[in-house]
Amino acid sequence: QLQLQESGPGLVKPSETLSLTCTVSGASISRSSHYWGWIRQPPGKGLEWIGSIYYSGTTYYNPSLKSRVTISLDTSKNQFSLKLRSVTAADTAVYYCVRPGIMATIGYFDFWGQGALVTVSS
Amino acid sequence: DIQMTQSPSTLSASVGDRVTITCRASQSISNLLAWYQQKPGKAPKLLIYKASSLESGVPSRFSGTGSGTEFTLTISSLQPDDFATYYCQQYSDFSPLTFGGGTNVEIK
Repeated sequence: QLQLQESGPGLVKPSETLSLTCTVSGASISRSSHYWGWIRQPPGKGLEWIGSIYYSGTTYYNPSLKSRVTISLDTSKNQFSLKLRSVTAADTAVYYCVRPGIMATIGYFDFWGQGALVTVSS
Repeated sequence: DIQMTQSPSTLSASVGDRVTITCRASQSISNLLAWYQQKPGKAPKLLIYKASSLESGVPSRFSGTGSGTEFTLTISSLQPDDFATYYCQQYSDFSPLTFGGGTNVEIK
């Protein structure tokens, strides 16, 4: 069964870079024709798609975040990562790594990590 | 961006009630709509995809209808485990994928 687990610092200073890693178990990110993605949820608010990366390395980003976001794969560790630059308090959120159940489409999300709260504060 | 508008934002209901949540898209998304349930402190759980297809393991009291710009999620007989927040999500346009603002189903 596929499992996703987010990890990374829970506190980031304003203007710095938020970095999170999603460790995948139960599937190989390099041999699985799936997209791997990130979604965030500010405390008490709704869901925002950040972006997704195909197993081949093709990326799609939310235009509202595109200038600050990089999603990448580390196939040697079966992980994918999120970097969000120049963070402000508005980037404080629970960050989820996600994967659709069906191949070759960003689509909808069957699999979610448990979420990682990242607070931006000095 | 395709805007997704859910109504109501909060819904008070009793166990056994039939509950309907509406999601409207700012432009046609065909049937490329998913519904999720989220409980406090937990990740969202997929309930329905392609507007009306029930995800495996989801109770049959959940159903979805709609196409184009108007969609509904119905819970035929509300159970104690169903008190949660529900979100719709369009996946017709990847630039960007967008979610509705959520509907909180609370105990009356």
